[in-house]
Amino acid sequence: LAKTTQPISMDSYEGQEVNITCSHNNIATNDYITWYQQFPSQGPRFIIQGYKTKVTNEVASLFIPADRKSSTLSLPRVSLSDTAVYYCLVGPLISSGSARQLTFGSGTQLTVLP
Amino acid sequence: DSGVTQTPKHLITATGQRVTLRCSPRSGDLSVYWYQQSLDQGLQFLIQYYNGEERAKGNILERFSAQQFPDLHSELNLSSPELGDSALYFCASSVGAGNEQFFGPGTRLTVL
Repeated sequence: LAKTTQPISMDSYEGQEVNITCSHNNIATNDYITWYQQFPSQGPRFIIQGYKTKVTNEVASLFIPADRKSSTLSLPRVSLSDTAVYYCLVGPLISSGSARQLTFGSGTQLTVLP
Repeated sequence: DSGVTQTPKHLITATGQRVTLRCSPRSGDLSVYWYQQSLDQGLQFLIQYYNGEERAKGNILERFSAQQFPDLHSELNLSSPELGDSALYFCASSVGAGNEQFFGPGTRLTVL
């Protein structure tokens, strides 16, 4: 079971790049890393997913080193509306045939200041 | 709007009174997940179904049960709720197991 560890909170200013790191020392070979964003009283929303190296989409980048024991979510030029809790999720995809439970990290409260 | 619907939005019940939470996944999604989020516990995975079969289980207590029906909607049942079960319950769905999950708006359960 891949336990994850994230910072409890982070502060940033508008326009800055924010990097949130998640540790997952016992990640399994068939596990993927997924990040979600959650606003108060709303369901989490998918941000990005990756297996190794670097993945980029229109809202974020995900950096995964070769040993895959950690990952870093990078949010470029944050705005006030990016204030939310960010979760790191480690688990397999269906193609692996695995049935292990999914693990959410403790979440990082990002506060963007004006 | 994620396309996942959950009913009811709010549910108030007394301890020991059975309740059912309902979830309809996005059209085409075969996998359904249930999560519990309370103030002091964060987001906790409960159980996952894929095309009607249980696929993964978290630290789900015995008084909780769930199932996924042939039309792919899912229900989470609490047979005898306790005060500590008061929480937000989210349902999520995905095309496969472990792929990008789309979360519903949640059901807020209050046990008095």
